[in-house]
Amino acid sequence: GENVEQHPSTLSVQEGDSAVIKCTYSDSASNYFPWYKQELGKRPQLIIDIRSNVGEKKDQRIAVTLNKTAKHFSLHITETQPEDSAVYFCAAGDSWGKFQFGAGTQVVVTP
Amino acid sequence: DAGVIQSPRHEVTEMGQEVTLRCKPISGHDYLFWYRQTMMRGLELLIYFNNNVPIDDSGMPEDRFSAKMPNASFSTLKIQPSEPRDSAVYFCASRTVQETQYFGPGTRLLVL
Repeated sequence: GENVEQHPSTLSVQEGDSAVIKCTYSDSASNYFPWYKQELGKRPQLIIDIRSNVGEKKDQRIAVTLNKTAKHFSLHITETQPEDSAVYFCAAGDSWGKFQFGAGTQVVVTP
Repeated sequence: DAGVIQSPRHEVTEMGQEVTLRCKPISGHDYLFWYRQTMMRGLELLIYFNNNVPIDDSGMPEDRFSAKMPNASFSTLKIQPSEPRDSAVYFCASRTVQETQYFGPGTRLLVL
């Protein structure tokens, strides 16, 4: 089955700096890669996703890149703000069923 | 759209008691997922359904756990008997093939 590794487990950045989270996956059949943000005590919420026919996708300060050959994908947050502090999860799977989630990255943005 | 609805939001019970968690997926979504989240193990997929049929229950930890989906708008996750190590946040999520998963608010379960 799919195995997703996520790094780093914690990330501390100063407000205004960029944050990068990286994930690798094992199943070459995976073709859908969502990213979720989970604030303390709340549910995971989708922030951006990318499909395997796309190499990069951007939404305001958030971007995701995908390298299918190397089986890795990354989340980039630019101009970080305190409200970006949360746990971020990557996931990999196919559009027909389940995802495998990474272990999560605790992002702390300090003013 | 009300989103995925879960009940109860919080549950405190004693070891050995039966616990039933409930989920109403988003209308029109034909996939339903049950997850468990703990600090130690992260977000684990327990079971998922497609068109009310269980597709993969390999994540169900043991026979004490069971899940049903009697119709397209309702699913239950039951733990009997419950144990302290079952304490976690249990999320239900739903999706269609064309969309990503949307999570419910979760049920915080504490087994004493």
